[in-house]
Amino acid sequence: GAVVSQHPSWVICKSGTSVKIECRSLDFQATTMFWYRQFPKQSLMLMATSNEGSKATYEQGVEKDKFLINHASLTLSTLTVTSAHPEDSSFYICSAEPGHQFQETQYFGPGTRLLVL
Amino acid sequence: GQSLEQPSEVTAVEGAIVQINCTYQTSGFYGLSWYQQHDGGAPTFLSYNALDGLEETGRFSSFLSRSDSYGYLLLQELQMKDSASYFCAVSSGSARQLTFGSGTQLTVLP
Repeated sequence: GAVVSQHPSWVICKSGTSVKIECRSLDFQATTMFWYRQFPKQSLMLMATSNEGSKATYEQGVEKDKFLINHASLTLSTLTVTSAHPEDSSFYICSAEPGHQFQETQYFGPGTRLLVL
Repeated sequence: GQSLEQPSEVTAVEGAIVQINCTYQTSGFYGLSWYQQHDGGAPTFLSYNALDGLEETGRFSSFLSRSDSYGYLLLQELQMKDSASYFCAVSSGSARQLTFGSGTQLTVLP
C-alpha cells in the first residue's frame, strides 16, 4: 500500500516551454501532497504544500507564478513549470501523506528529472 | 526556522554496525523520520519516531530523544546494498511539512 506515482519520469524540453508533472496517490486519498526539488548532491527542498480544493502554500523563495500547482482531486496533484529555463533543470519529487496512519509518514513518488536545454 | 545537522559521510565494512546521528532545531516538532536514497532514485521511508525511545525494523533501528533534540539511525549487519544517502527529516507545522537534513553518504566496503 501507500504507492505514489509520478509522470513523466524524464522530461527534456527547450527553454521557454512549460512542463506539467503529475503526482498520483494510487491506493489512498491524500488531502495534502508536497512538492520537492533536489539538485545533484544536495538535499530535498520543499517547494510547496498542495491542498486539495484550495491554493497551494509556497515556501519562501519559490515563485508561485512560475511553479503552478493544482490539486484537482484527492489522488492527483500537478506541478507546471512555466517558461522553463536551464536553471530549472532538477529532480522534482512529490510526496503524499495518507493522513490516517499514526506515523504520519510521507510516501514519495519516483521523481521526475527535468532537463531544460 | 528549522535546521538539522548530520554527518556528510560515513564509511564502514560489510557486516559492521553504523550509527548516523541527527540533531535538530525546530518549532512545532511532531516527529523525526529517516529516508534512504540511492543514486538516481527517490527517497524511501525507513522509520519514524514521534516519541522518545528506540524503534526497531529489521536491521534498522531509529532512536529519538525529544529533550535533547537528537536522534540516530542504526544500521546493523551492513550490506553492500546499504550504500546510499540517508536523510533525517523533521515534521513540523500545521501541515506536517518535512524539513530534510543535508544527508549522510554511507559507503559500505567489502
